[in-house]
Amino acid sequence: AQKITQTQPGMFVQEKEAVTLDCTYDTSDQSYGLFWYKQPSSGEMIFLIYQGSYDEQNATEGRYSLNFQKARKSANLVISASQLGDSAMYFCAMGSWDTDKLIFGTGTRLQVFP
Amino acid sequence: DADVTQTPRNRITKTGKRIMLECSQTKGHDRMYWYRQDPGLGLRLIYYSFDVKDINKGEISDGYSVSRQAQAKFSLSLESAIPNQTALYFCATSQGMIGEQYFGPGTRLTVT
Repeated sequence: AQKITQTQPGMFVQEKEAVTLDCTYDTSDQSYGLFWYKQPSSGEMIFLIYQGSYDEQNATEGRYSLNFQKARKSANLVISASQLGDSAMYFCAMGSWDTDKLIFGTGTRLQVFP
Repeated sequence: DADVTQTPRNRITKTGKRIMLECSQTKGHDRMYWYRQDPGLGLRLIYYSFDVKDINKGEISDGYSVSRQAQAKFSLSLESAIPNQTALYFCATSQGMIGEQYFGPGTRLTVT
């Protein structure tokens, strides 16, 4: 069975600092993708970044990067130079070629303070 | 205009009532999904559809039904609403395998 685990219910970071949000996953599939979504207090789900299981380089999108360690089955999100607008819930998700569905972790609430 | 729309955005209903949540998309995607979000539980898949003739149960389909009226429309029904169906409901679309999913704005449903 597939599973996504986010062990940090809440994180605090000071503005302009970097922060890492943890995500571990469990799957027996060989081909899968890992996603991060942001949910601000307004409620919408915003796609941030994607990493394919066969991608050799870590994905980056602006201030977001995904620290992919395949052997450890981890896909941590790194946000550099945090901004007050980064305060939100962050969800890690995984999809596989076999199931073609996404499963989500329980989320991490990030709060950025001045 | 938004690519994925959901109506209504907010709804309060009573136990035992039938309610339908609607989702429309202009992205031209074949795949559509319904999720519910509860505090501390993340998003859980209710139903999904890969095309008009293909409907599949997700993780928590009991108490729900769906209809894929067209490629662009996917409706979720609660035949007899109960209070523990109070949640935030999201529709999403995607194209292709393990594609990025595009979410609607959500429907906040309260069952009293």
